Amino acid sequence: DTGVSQNPRHKITKRGQNVTFRCDPISEHNRLYWYRQTLGQGPEFLTYFQNEAQLEKSRLLSDRFSAERPKGSFSTLEIQRTEQGDSAMYLCASSLVSGRNIQYFGAGTRLSVL
Amino acid sequence: AQRVTQPEKLLSVFKGAPVELKCNYSYSGSPELFWYVQYSRQRLQLLLRHISRESIKGFTADLNKGETSFHLKKPFAQEEDSAMYYCALFRGETSGSRLTFGEGTQLTVNP
Repeated sequence: DTGVSQNPRHKITKRGQNVTFRCDPISEHNRLYWYRQTLGQGPEFLTYFQNEAQLEKSRLLSDRFSAERPKGSFSTLEIQRTEQGDSAMYLCASSLVSGRNIQYFGAGTRLSVL
Repeated sequence: AQRVTQPEKLLSVFKGAPVELKCNYSYSGSPELFWYVQYSRQRLQLLLRHISRESIKGFTADLNKGETSFHLKKPFAQEEDSAMYYCALFRGETSGSRLTFGEGTQLTVNP
């Protein structure tokens, strides 16, 4: 499967714990995006990278959230001191700079904070 | 700020009937509009984009700048069209590369 890969698919954690998600984009895609989706809502933008540079962050991305893409390939999204309100589906997408602005999505990581 | 509105959360039609999923947007620039679809237990995937002006799986969508709309249409719905549909707006390279999504419309096509 050469699509966008996200791990884990599901994560259950207790409030206050830290969690980290991983996204492997489509090979050679230089842009990588993180979105969050809650029940009944469309995906909401969190942040995006072009190669290893984080170029834009949403106001939704509080200080407890951090994302990295150290070598311009895979990316990680860490949430520190999780809260129940962080429970959501976290989606990763990738695209080519010259790729007609089409973003390809992963299956997502579903986070449940108890 | 940009915004995408899909007024219908749920839409139910019978097989063979025409279907129209509404999408309105607000953005002062020249956006690019997309329709994404999510079938049951599958990932979000692109259905079509306004720039390509093509028909995918019998669906078409025309960008109406005057009405700021990008409604998705199909003349004869099929049961396999049942899915969640999201309208999304891309502002352009110089305005950030994010997609802004609507809340989605769950389409059910009954036999």
